[in-house]
Amino acid sequence: EIVLTQSPGTLSLSPGERATLSCRASQSVSSSYLAWYQQKPGQAPRLLIYGASSRATGIPDRFSGSGSGTDFTLTISRLEPEDFAVYYCQQYDNSRRTFGQGTKVEIK
Amino acid sequence: EVQLLESGGGLVQPGGSLRLSCAASGFTFSSYAMSWVRQAPGKGLEWVSAISSSGGSTYYAESVKGRFTISRDNSKNTLYLQINGLRVEDTAVYYCAKAEYYSGGWPYFDYWGQGSLVTVSS
Repeated sequence: EIVLTQSPGTLSLSPGERATLSCRASQSVSSSYLAWYQQKPGQAPRLLIYGASSRATGIPDRFSGSGSGTDFTLTISRLEPEDFAVYYCQQYDNSRRTFGQGTKVEIK
Repeated sequence: EVQLLESGGGLVQPGGSLRLSCAASGFTFSSYAMSWVRQAPGKGLEWVSAISSSGGSTYYAESVKGRFTISRDNSKNTLYLQINGLRVEDTAVYYCAKAEYYSGGWPYFDYWGQGSLVTVSS
């Protein structure tokens, strides 16, 4: 099973700042099969990025994804108040999926 | 508009059983793979199980293999999760999620239900 490790666990930033979230895999993941989700309290997750770098429908361009192999990054260029949430990476391998443990982006 | 509506959650004693349902609408249900994902209180997301569009192939996380059974009824646009031998650690919100086809697989979830809470306690 591929294990995804996200860092940091918590990111304390102010609105307008840049957020950089990391997702590291225990073995190589196809870039096509790496996704990022945003989850706010009491809500279901929302797809942000698929294929490591493609934004899902309706996702603002301040969200971007990059990376390959075992290292992937989600960047939020300028944090808006609605971006403070928990973010998860997720991989797909041989019809099975795993999620990272999440990174919480909180207001500083 | 795609909608996924889970039901069937509740309070169950350890060792008990439960069947969750997910009613789908707004898309051609029989054309898409589906999954169940759970989230224990205050914890992260855990993928639980997946099923192919036809129902002919099923997949499980190691943590639930042998106790959980995923199925679907394409005539009713409904996804199911049968949970047997419930344990306290199965307490979670259970989400159904629609998978999207991309680059030869069904790697990500573009729509999620609102979740159904399963509480296992004596």
